[in-house]
This record gives sequence, structure tokens and C-alpha cells, in this order.
Amino acid sequence: AAGVIQSPRHLIKEKRETATLKCYPIPRHDTVYWYQQGPGQDPQFLISFYEKMQSDKGSIPDRFSAQQFSDYHSELNMSSLELGDSALYFCASSLEAWTKEGYTFGSGTRLTVV
Amino acid sequence: AQKVTQAQTEISVVEKEDVTLDCVYETRDTTYYLFWYKQPPSGELVFLIRRNSFDEQNEISGRYSWNFQKSTSSFNFTITASQVVDSAVYFCALREETSGSRLTFGEGTQLTVNP
Repeated sequence: AAGVIQSPRHLIKEKRETATLKCYPIPRHDTVYWYQQGPGQDPQFLISFYEKMQSDKGSIPDRFSAQQFSDYHSELNMSSLELGDSALYFCASSLEAWTKEGYTFGSGTRLTVV
Repeated sequence: AQKVTQAQTEISVVEKEDVTLDCVYETRDTTYYLFWYKQPPSGELVFLIRRNSFDEQNEISGRYSWNFQKSTSSFNFTITASQVVDSAVYFCALREETSGSRLTFGEGTQLTVNP
């Protein structure tokens, strides 16, 4: 079965650079979520989109922005990167109608800022 | 406000032992959902179970079992006859009906199963 696809799997950036993370949800899923997991931390909710509109916003820095496109894939744009942005970034997708499937997480993008 | 507490930061057991991971949650909602995820060293989040607040029936899946008790706001996870491959970080998570679709995770429990 198709899963949530995230790209790239690994990314190394320097301070003050920008990064773009991509997420391709499971077909039919209309909601996408982004989470940030720092080293040794639990995942923290950043932002979510339903039908291409922002549906919820968590602890996402102003330097970050995200959007969901017409094909339902989503991108997380991160600018002026800081060392503290080094983390594992997860994307998850679900159906807003909230079926038994619940959430499906991608394998994550590991961002390292040097 | 919602909160998930996993008081056990690290647990170490010997293979074939049973182990219980504790999860206590706080919520004012009457409708909510509880989850357990496994995060192996490779980093991905693996879904284990979802429980609805209105379904307190305990569940068993192979060596895994879950004990949901609304009276104590707990959703504990037991692994029977643990195996080395069970070594991972386990997260308990909560979704409230009134707070959108976001998940709030506990801080995780690092389980190490030694041969």
C-alpha cells in the first residue's frame, strides 16, 4: 500500500540558508500535518492543512512557512536556518472524516544545520 | 490544555521479560483519541494502536496489550515476552476532539531489551 513519502530523507544546510521539505500524502487523504522532533525530544506539532487551506497552527517559527498544493502534496519552507532547527521533520496525512486509518506518518526528513 | 505524561524515561529489561509502559493523560474533552507509536533507531514512527475515549475495552494484539482506564486517565501498554527487536522509543499521544487534528505526544519511553 502507498505510504506518505517525504523528500529528501537527509538534508545538510548551513546557518542562514533556506531549506524546502516535501511531503506526498497517501492518495485520498485530504489533510497533511507537519511535526518537528528535536534530538531526544517528542514530536511537536507545527502546522496542518485541509483541502489546501491551513487548518491548524502550532509552534511553528515565523521563519517557517508551509503550503498544500492542488495535488495535495505539501512543502515546508524554512529560511534563515539556525542550529536549533536541526531535527527530524515528520509529515503525516489523514482523512478529515477521521476513519479508522487515523494518521499515517512518513519516514521523516533529517535536517542538520551546521 | 492537554497533556500526556510518560513518567518512565528509560526501561531496560532482559529478553522474555514482560514490560509495561505507562501513559497518563489530561484532557477536558469527553471525546478524545489515544495512540501509541513505536520509534525504532531508524527513526520512523510506527503506529501501534488507536483508542477512542468511549471505548474502554482492552485490546490484545499478539504480544502487545493495552489497558485503557478512564477513571485514572491512563492508557498503559504491555509487551509480553519482550524481544530484542522491541527495543525502541515508545510514544503515547492524545488527540482532543476540540483542538483540531493535532497530536500531543508524551516525552517517550526508551525501551531497551537485552539478550
